[in-house]
Amino acid sequence: NAGVTQTPKFRVLKTGQSMTLLCAQDMNHEYMYWYRQDPGMGLRLIHYSVGEGTTAKGEVPDGYNVSRLKKQNFLLGLESAAPSQTSVYFCASYGLDSGTEAFFGQGTRLTVV
Amino acid sequence: GNSVTQMEGPVTLSEEAFLTINCTYTATGYPSLFWYVQYPGEGLQLLLKATKADDKGSNKGFEATYRKETTSFHLEKGSVQVSDSAVYFCALIGGGSYIPTFGRGTSLIVHP
Repeated sequence: NAGVTQTPKFRVLKTGQSMTLLCAQDMNHEYMYWYRQDPGMGLRLIHYSVGEGTTAKGEVPDGYNVSRLKKQNFLLGLESAAPSQTSVYFCASYGLDSGTEAFFGQGTRLTVV
Repeated sequence: GNSVTQMEGPVTLSEEAFLTINCTYTATGYPSLFWYVQYPGEGLQLLLKATKADDKGSNKGFEATYRKETTSFHLEKGSVQVSDSAVYFCALIGGGSYIPTFGRGTSLIVHP
């Protein structure tokens, strides 16, 4: 049971480039989330999904898009990366039937130069 | 909406000292409460949890009690070790929302 897997783990982008971060969970969880973590700011919610085919904006959605075409995957896209998007990104999932806590991936460290 | 407030760090202690990290929350209903730990360069791992009032979560010598009357979930450990150095996050789920809500995190530094 792998839990929540994020790819890639590290990436360096140039300003204006695009990329997609992939989050995969094998626990059949309904809810999935993308957070960013910055020094002194804690975890801030970017987007989330309550099920396959549905997404919603979180606290800091600007500059990001997401898709949940399959229940087990939640993709985070940056269409035109900016230095302000340099951060560590965490994906998490939560299942209504499987327990009471959210499970986290290991994070993606993104640097935009 | 839901919110979590935890004490700011860093908290710096000597090995074998007593640890308390305060956490209070605001939520409707009866959320589940959690402490997560993040070691350097890693993701968040669940440390302990409590799902109803007066429950005590415990793990690895850490404890926290769900206090409904004071809306608190303070983390304690009787004798910290250098290996406990990490960032600790208080969080909740429920209380009308299935979006995990986190505090800002408290950095703990334990010196030998």
